[in-house]
Amino acid sequence: ETGVTQTPRHLVMGMTNKKSLKCEQHLGHNAMYWYKQSAKKPLELMFVYNFKEQTENNSVPSRFSPECPNSSHLFLHLHTLQPEDSALYLCASSQEGQVNEKLFFGSGTQLSVL
Amino acid sequence: RKEVEQDPGPFNVPEGATVAFNCTYSNSASQSFFWYRQDCRKEPKLLMSVYSSGNEDGRFTAQLNRASQYISLLIRDSKLSDSATYLCVVNQAGTALIFGKGTTLSVSS
Repeated sequence: ETGVTQTPRHLVMGMTNKKSLKCEQHLGHNAMYWYKQSAKKPLELMFVYNFKEQTENNSVPSRFSPECPNSSHLFLHLHTLQPEDSALYLCASSQEGQVNEKLFFGSGTQLSVL
Repeated sequence: RKEVEQDPGPFNVPEGATVAFNCTYSNSASQSFFWYRQDCRKEPKLLMSVYSSGNEDGRFTAQLNRASQYISLLIRDSKLSDSATYLCVVNQAGTALIFGKGTTLSVSS
């Protein structure tokens, strides 16, 4: 276990549904991230939170809405998604959000949008 | 030119073989370099950081060539358990990590 827990592991949703992905880290880290991994594509950074403040939004569509209530929890709220949003969504954390730090990933949520 | 490029493979090698992967990056200002390993349907995990002077961890050796803007990973005496996808990761001050698509390695007995 990496100390980063994601739920649910799998999610199937229709385009009109609203759902949320949850991430929790037990490592005492101050930075948390959402990444998207589509088939045959590299991991794409979506959002970065450092000490609960969003420090990066990588041109993500507004149908993805992150929330970071504290340094240990991160959510990704989903609404009116498109089939091309189907992917593995990975949460990660690092100690201070510095560029040379190790990232600890959760197991991911495999999302299918019908 | 893509920011981080890797040969996707797959590299199919027998047990005991030595295999090397290269990765090129486009931003000459990049400062941090890593190799991550990702098993099928699992999350990526840090394999090793890559330092300017090169570094070794057991059977794994990583090297950085700033002039040519590439990093390499050498695996000696391959094991079945080395079968995975190896992700090249590059950073630049002030930005988050940029991942390559990965190189798939399959080690067979």
